[in-house]
Amino acid sequence: GAGVSQSPSNKVTEKGKDVELRCDPISGHTALYWYRQSLGQGLEFLIYFQGNSAPDKSGLPSDRFSAERTGGSVSTLTIQRTQQEDSAVYLCASSLAPGELFFGEGSRLTVL
Amino acid sequence: KQEVTQIPAALSVPEGENLVLNCSFTDSAIYNLQWFRQDPGKGLTSLLLIQSSQREQTSGRLNASLDKSSGRSTLYIAASQPGDSATYLCAVRDYSGYALNFGKGTSLLVTP
Repeated sequence: GAGVSQSPSNKVTEKGKDVELRCDPISGHTALYWYRQSLGQGLEFLIYFQGNSAPDKSGLPSDRFSAERTGGSVSTLTIQRTQQEDSAVYLCASSLAPGELFFGEGSRLTVL
Repeated sequence: KQEVTQIPAALSVPEGENLVLNCSFTDSAIYNLQWFRQDPGKGLTSLLLIQSSQREQTSGRLNASLDKSSGRSTLYIAASQPGDSATYLCAVRDYSGYALNFGKGTSLLVTP
């Protein structure tokens, strides 16, 4: 596609529910990144994919967080048993590794 | 671990002024450095990418410089306009990992 596409743009959920966030990278981009941006905080790295494999998962904050990428394209970030501290904007980026990163508009998650 | 610092945290200037945003990083063994712009409630827009072998990059009214030995980059904005108002983020990719390490950004307000 023309740019990185993320869905949903907004998600409100209740504490304890599972959520899935989707990222559709720029066509042909082999590298895909997930970041989190909390209110007033900087960008926090979560996970990096090269193709379908994730050589760097070091930023995932707990085992409630997981991500997968299929077909070297779309990626899904799953948060299980959501907590209020998970409320943030989740940003996805892609690149022709290791080049310029292009970000999507983000998915704003609110956990009540 | 690479630490990225941006000074100042916030800046307000009248329209037409030239201005400089600063970014410093602790580990000079970087692969590249990227400047982004973020408008409120939006994702990040890539402005300039400087490879480690480069000293500067220019795009329109923007000029970014890189001094690896001193661990610094500057973003120069010429003839500022109200539409330049946004948060500007600096990010560094080093050889020790896959992720970009972000500063917390400089919030710029250009007043008419």
